[in-house]
Amino acid sequence: NAGVTQTPKFRVLKTGQSMTLLCAQDMNHEYMYWYRQDPGMGLRLIHYSVGEGTTAKGEVPDGYNVSRLKKQNFLLGLESAAPSQTSVYFCASRDWGVTDTQYFGPGTRLTVL
Amino acid sequence: GESVGLHLPTLSVQEGDNSIINCAYSNSASDYFIWYKQESGKGPQFIIDIRSNMDKRQGQRVTVLLNKTVKHLSLQIAATQPGDSAVYFCAESRGNTGFQKLVFGTGTRLLVSP
Repeated sequence: NAGVTQTPKFRVLKTGQSMTLLCAQDMNHEYMYWYRQDPGMGLRLIHYSVGEGTTAKGEVPDGYNVSRLKKQNFLLGLESAAPSQTSVYFCASRDWGVTDTQYFGPGTRLTVL
Repeated sequence: GESVGLHLPTLSVQEGDNSIINCAYSNSASDYFIWYKQESGKGPQFIIDIRSNMDKRQGQRVTVLLNKTVKHLSLQIAATQPGDSAVYFCAESRGNTGFQKLVFGTGTRLLVSP
């Protein structure tokens, strides 16, 4: 049981390039989330999904798109990367139930030059 | 405005001491709180949670206290070890039924000296 995994672990992009971050979970969780973490600002929600085929905007969605074609995968896309998107990105998942505990992946460190 | 915050950005303790990390919240409607630990280069790791109908909850070497009167949350770590060195976040669950989002504080760094 790997939990939540993220690929890649590190990436450097040039301004204007595109990329996709992959999140996978093997816990059969309904909810999945993408956050970004910047120094001194804590975790901020980018997009989330409440089930396969659904997505919704979080706190800071501009410049990002997401897709949840399969229950176990949640993809985060950057169509035209900007230096302001330099950050550490975390994916999380949560089960449908009585707890709101989210389980996090190891993160992807993205640098946009 | 509504916020989840921490009183101290860095807490330094000696190995074997008890550590107390504090968190203030401002939304009295929040009903669920979580503490996470984040080690350098890793994702946040769940430590312990508490619902608003409880005042105290204990885990292995950790205790969370909730004071709803002053909207204050604390994490107590007993016999702190060097492996406890990390950033600790509190998170507040708020939102409508069906989907609740977590609002995270900025974190407190715990440094444990041998």
